[in-house]
Amino acid sequence: DTAVSQTPKYLVTQMGNDKSIKCEQNLGHDTMYWYKQDSKKFLKIMFSYNNKELIINETVPNRFSPKSPDKAHLNLHINSLELGDSAVYFCASSRVAGGGSDEQFFGPGTRLTVL
Amino acid sequence: GNSVTQMEGPVTLSEEAFLTINCTYTATGYPSLFWYVQYPGEGLQLLLKATKADDKGSNKGFEATYRKETTSFHLEKGSVQVSDSAVYFCALSPQGGSEKLVFGKGTKLTVNP
Repeated sequence: DTAVSQTPKYLVTQMGNDKSIKCEQNLGHDTMYWYKQDSKKFLKIMFSYNNKELIINETVPNRFSPKSPDKAHLNLHINSLELGDSAVYFCASSRVAGGGSDEQFFGPGTRLTVL
Repeated sequence: GNSVTQMEGPVTLSEEAFLTINCTYTATGYPSLFWYVQYPGEGLQLLLKATKADDKGSNKGFEATYRKETTSFHLEKGSVQVSDSAVYFCALSPQGGSEKLVFGKGTKLTVNP
């Protein structure tokens, strides 16, 4: 009964490849997020979607493209992978957008290693 | 802009020691404040939160009080256990209902038996 799930858990690939990470939440939440956590554990938001609409798009290279086919799914596609993309990527969800005190629920993370 | 500053780690304690992890913030108005915890190999999970000045959040023996006058939200626990070993993140959500959580850099805690 995982609330926020991500696949794959580990992803090892060569520079220049294109890869996708999938995220699904079964909490009935309206808002989903992608975060990047670097090797020093620093966590930074990349994107946020509310009901399939993009509402936050931080300064992220346009090689990264989120896609939300429905409000329970938010996938992350990365083109032309670079060494600096190596990180742990976390998906999260929350009940509503605009709810400042709302808890965010995080997935287990996808560790991406670019060789 | 909005920002969160928390004490640099790592922090290493013996079991049953007292824990304080300092967190201060910069934001306009009254943000909501959070502590998230990340156990090894897992995603973040909410530990506690406070949404207005002088509120105290508490969970699993951890406490933090929202201090508007010092713009702080320090995390404390009276007696840590080995199972508390994790990375702790202080975070804020700006007033006005922004969806964007701003995180501190995280503090790694190791508790030895």
